[in-house]
Amino acid sequence: ILNVEQSPQSLHVQEGDSTNFTCSFPSSNFYALHWYRWETAKSPEALFVMTLNGDEKKKGRISATLNTKEGYSYLYIKGSQPEDSATYLCAFISGTSYGKLTFGQGTILTVHP
Amino acid sequence: DGGITQSPKYLFRKEGQNVTLSCEQNLNHDAMYWYRQDPGQGLRLIYYSQIVNDFQKGDIAEGYSVSREKKESFPLTVTSAQKNPTAFYLCASTQDRGLVLANGYTFGSGTRLTVV
Repeated sequence: ILNVEQSPQSLHVQEGDSTNFTCSFPSSNFYALHWYRWETAKSPEALFVMTLNGDEKKKGRISATLNTKEGYSYLYIKGSQPEDSATYLCAFISGTSYGKLTFGQGTILTVHP
Repeated sequence: DGGITQSPKYLFRKEGQNVTLSCEQNLNHDAMYWYRQDPGQGLRLIYYSQIVNDFQKGDIAEGYSVSREKKESFPLTVTSAQKNPTAFYLCASTQDRGLVLANGYTFGSGTRLTVV
């Protein structure tokens, strides 16, 4: 079973703070890294799908970077808002896990007004 | 609107009983997945299906069974052989069967199963 680790497990920030968290994954046989946002009582929603080393993706105040050689991805949120409060999941696809995602345990972000 | 419907939202089962969780999608997606979430753990794959009438075991398939008789439906049965069935169950689908799943997963809203 592939090991995908996310840190920190939870994070509390004040409104307006910028924050970031990490997803670590096996660097060999990499195919893709996904980020999802999961708000309470809702379904997880895809944020980014990243495939190339050095990839940077951005959606509004949220951005992500990818380093496939060392096996990590960062998710950044600039100027956090209470509506950013959610669990952020990363998930990994390798050559041995064709067609399916292996998820990390998630980072729970709480943004206090 | 297209999406994935999981039912019921909450389910209570007596120990020793089988129970079936429903997952229906009207997105015309080929691939469907069942994941389980336990506190402090990532989503773990139970079963997946990339085409009708075919499915594969995931990492934690023991005590579960599935069927894929129709493209839009992928029900999960939690059998009495599953030693610790109390969990949150998520169904997902994707239209992309390629190497990177470039369109990501679409998820249902989940079913919380409690064994009493």
